[in-house]
Amino acid sequence: AQKITQTQPGMFVQEKEAVTLDCTYDTSDPSYGLFWYKQPSSGEMIFLIYQGSYDQQNATEGRYSLNFQKARKSANLVISASQLGDSAMYFCAMRERRGGSNYKLTFGKGTLLTVNP
Amino acid sequence: ETGVTQTPRHLVMGMTNKKSLKCEQHLGHNAMYWYKQSAKKPLELMFVYSLEERVENNSVPSRFSPECPNSSHLFLHLHTLQPEDSALYLCASSQGVGPDYGYTFGSGTRLTVV
Repeated sequence: AQKITQTQPGMFVQEKEAVTLDCTYDTSDPSYGLFWYKQPSSGEMIFLIYQGSYDQQNATEGRYSLNFQKARKSANLVISASQLGDSAMYFCAMRERRGGSNYKLTFGKGTLLTVNP
Repeated sequence: ETGVTQTPRHLVMGMTNKKSLKCEQHLGHNAMYWYKQSAKKPLELMFVYSLEERVENNSVPSRFSPECPNSSHLFLHLHTLQPEDSALYLCASSQGVGPDYGYTFGSGTRLTVV
């Protein structure tokens, strides 16, 4: 079974509008971390936002917010006021225990976001 | 610049060549990682080093050989690769290996095996 599921291979949004990128995860570990990364065509993976499994409030970083619904095991990324520069691949990732003190970061397949002018 | 530098950015090599990918971080992190990103596949973790000791090898073929001489440098030595090894190879680092530690990635090396 996939650990991280991103059901939207591609998404389109108009400039200045908000968009939600979906992510669901599967883990039995009570302590885990959820991350979103952006990958432009240049290839670099850029960290956007982090949510810990014990965090009570949804994480926010500027125009990015994470809609964390623990019971549903979902961690959707919301981008407000989209900009042309937001066009990129977006990856959801989860860090969970691998054994001992090691934690593994597992990525979803990604969503390609295109912002239209 | 993220603080993690990978060289070269692009590499084309024949199946009989030997080459090395280099990763350098100046963030004071003590864990480093190699990931492989192939087209239409999720990122695959290859190796994990924590405090210069290899703590994970994800069933990677022996034609890939990692080296971590110190906490700032990580190498991936390549020899007798196959065309299916063509991919983007990403290096990352983190302050630790626990669940709260995010990764900082480099820009990657795009490898083409001919």
